[in-house]
Amino acid sequence: EAQVTQNPRYLITVTGKKLTVTCSQNMNHEYMSWYRQDPGLGLRQIYYSMNVEVTDKGDVPEGYKVSRKEKRNFPLILESPSPNQTSLYFCASSRTGGATNEKLFFGSGTQLSVL
Amino acid sequence: DAKTTQPPSMDCAEGRAANLPCNHSTISGNEYVYWYRQIHSQGPQYIIHGLKNNETNEMASLIITEDRKSSTLILPHATLRDTAVYYCISYTGTASKLTFGTGTRLQVTL
Repeated sequence: EAQVTQNPRYLITVTGKKLTVTCSQNMNHEYMSWYRQDPGLGLRQIYYSMNVEVTDKGDVPEGYKVSRKEKRNFPLILESPSPNQTSLYFCASSRTGGATNEKLFFGSGTQLSVL
Repeated sequence: DAKTTQPPSMDCAEGRAANLPCNHSTISGNEYVYWYRQIHSQGPQYIIHGLKNNETNEMASLIITEDRKSSTLILPHATLRDTAVYYCISYTGTASKLTFGTGTRLQVTL
């Protein structure tokens, strides 16, 4: 089944403890992206990747890192999490980036709480 | 990408058609109109998209006005499982960033 898989689904951590949220897609998609969703603010893009070893900042990249060493994986790294990064996170992928006739496939989400 | 405007909430009786409007009066010629929905806190799900012709798939129909300033998503026979937030998005393809607004919360009732 074609899907975007995120792990974990729920994560509670403390301020300053490094964490990684994994994202994997099995559709051979070139494009992958991370969004965060907060009440009243909608979904905002954190980082995106047009292909392997190509990443770029979205609208809210501060405090986050990403890497794209393989086509299928796009982990989100929080080196020193803070409470304002408590949010619902979504990974997404599409066949290519920048095409107007593409649709995004989203993962099920990761609910992160930073205490 | 053009800004879209949607009503914050709508109700629909189960079995009836749900018609969700979207205004995108500043849309440019190369911008597609996309619809996604988000059920509770799950990942957004693609529904349909179009440029200027009406489109239909197994989930819904999309009616775009001739001047492309507005569109309507039609769920022909709404069920309780269609209760969700529906997002209308206009998109040029820049960095594949879909800008999600606050959407329309559709409540399907018995």
